[in-house]
Amino acid sequence: DTEVTQTPKHLVMGMTNKKSLKCEQHMGHRAMYWYKQKAKKPPELMFVYSYEKLSINESVPSRFSPECPNSSLLNLHLHALQPEDSALYLCASSQVGGDNSPLHFGNGTRLTVT
Amino acid sequence: GENVEQHPSTLSVQEGDSAVIKCTYSDSASNYFPWYKQELGKRPQLIIDIRSNVGEKKDQRIAVTLNKTAKHFSLHITETQPEDSAVYFCAASNDGGATNKLIFGTGTLLAVQP
Repeated sequence: DTEVTQTPKHLVMGMTNKKSLKCEQHMGHRAMYWYKQKAKKPPELMFVYSYEKLSINESVPSRFSPECPNSSLLNLHLHALQPEDSALYLCASSQVGGDNSPLHFGNGTRLTVT
Repeated sequence: GENVEQHPSTLSVQEGDSAVIKCTYSDSASNYFPWYKQELGKRPQLIIDIRSNVGEKKDQRIAVTLNKTAKHFSLHITETQPEDSAVYFCAASNDGGATNKLIFGTGTLLAVQP
């Protein structure tokens, strides 16, 4: 069972399309993350939200636009992507602060940009 | 910023043997070191983590050791089984702030031969 749910599982989009990735967790975590993972590479941090506010943007191009509408939801809006943006997009959540804050990952959305 | 190196990139062992994966980190302020296992096409799953105030932690067949002075930490898997075959990622972060900004190592592909 996955405690962090991501939809869709797969997405194919053209370079002129607009699409959104969705992430949901019900563990009461107040930090949520977007990571990008290319094949045979480690996850790379994109964005971090803390208490629904963007706290970290790792210099991600503006064609990726994150949104955190409430404490359980995290979206990633996609527009005018490039083929090199094709990757597995992972959402994660964690507690904020404290001594126990491991990240819990969702199963990811596999994105293909054509 | 933090940089995490991981070795080896691939590791093949016989079932029942031990496997050791090593990581080094650059930021002396890092204080949280998790290990994730990622099976093909699946999400990274936390298998064990250690904090900088502890030198060693064990959970059944898995153990992690930390040398803060040398900025090294290692994953030890004993009595390996075919189901241990996966990519293993180490990571480091300084979660003294509000969120847990994990920086991942490059990964180790472990193959356990029956």
